[in-house]
Amino acid sequence: GDSVTQMEGPVTLSEEAFLTINCTYTATGYPSLFWYVQYPGEGLQLLLKATKADDKGSNKGFEATYRKETTSFHLEKGSVQVSDSAVYFCALRDFSGSARQLTFGSGTQLTVLP
Amino acid sequence: ETGVTQSPTHLIKTRGQQVTLRCSSQSGHNTVSWYQQALGQGPQFIFQYYREEENGRGNFPPRFSGLQFPNYSSELNVNALELDDSALYLCASSSGTGDTGELFFGEGSRLTVL
Repeated sequence: GDSVTQMEGPVTLSEEAFLTINCTYTATGYPSLFWYVQYPGEGLQLLLKATKADDKGSNKGFEATYRKETTSFHLEKGSVQVSDSAVYFCALRDFSGSARQLTFGSGTQLTVLP
Repeated sequence: ETGVTQSPTHLIKTRGQQVTLRCSSQSGHNTVSWYQQALGQGPQFIFQYYREEENGRGNFPPRFSGLQFPNYSSELNVNALELDDSALYLCASSSGTGDTGELFFGEGSRLTVL
């Protein structure tokens, strides 16, 4: 079945540091890939997405490129801020079957220190 | 635009009891999905409802059941509660047509089973 493997956390960075959170996936079809973010006390929010190979999703300074050859969708940001502290989830949606669910990774807790 | 709202936000039950969780979908959305998020884990798909019909189900036993109403709001019912049912239950809504995979999540209902 489909699965998503995320870099284990927690990750602690200083403000303005470079961020990478690794994500790899296994899917039977041709999935769409997503990064969701969960800020403290809030629901999950879509951060960015990519729907086909070599697409780059970007939002709020975050980027991720859909790499079919390495089955990866790593999240990057050049300069993190304290306000980026949250839990980040990589997810996929496989449209090849009748299932309509998102399959999530286990999440990576990011803490950014001033 | 009203977002996804869930109730109650917190509740405590004992083993063997039954619980009903409620969700109001975002305005204009006709599809509702439910996810279970155990502590430190990513959300796991329970089921999805589209126009009042179940439209996909994850690997959860039949004691997890749901409903969707004509106004697209939804309920999640769990019978014969077990300790492992303790989790954050997330509701997400989306537009069934032109489905891009983006889900809009509520803040969740945190269930503790003692």
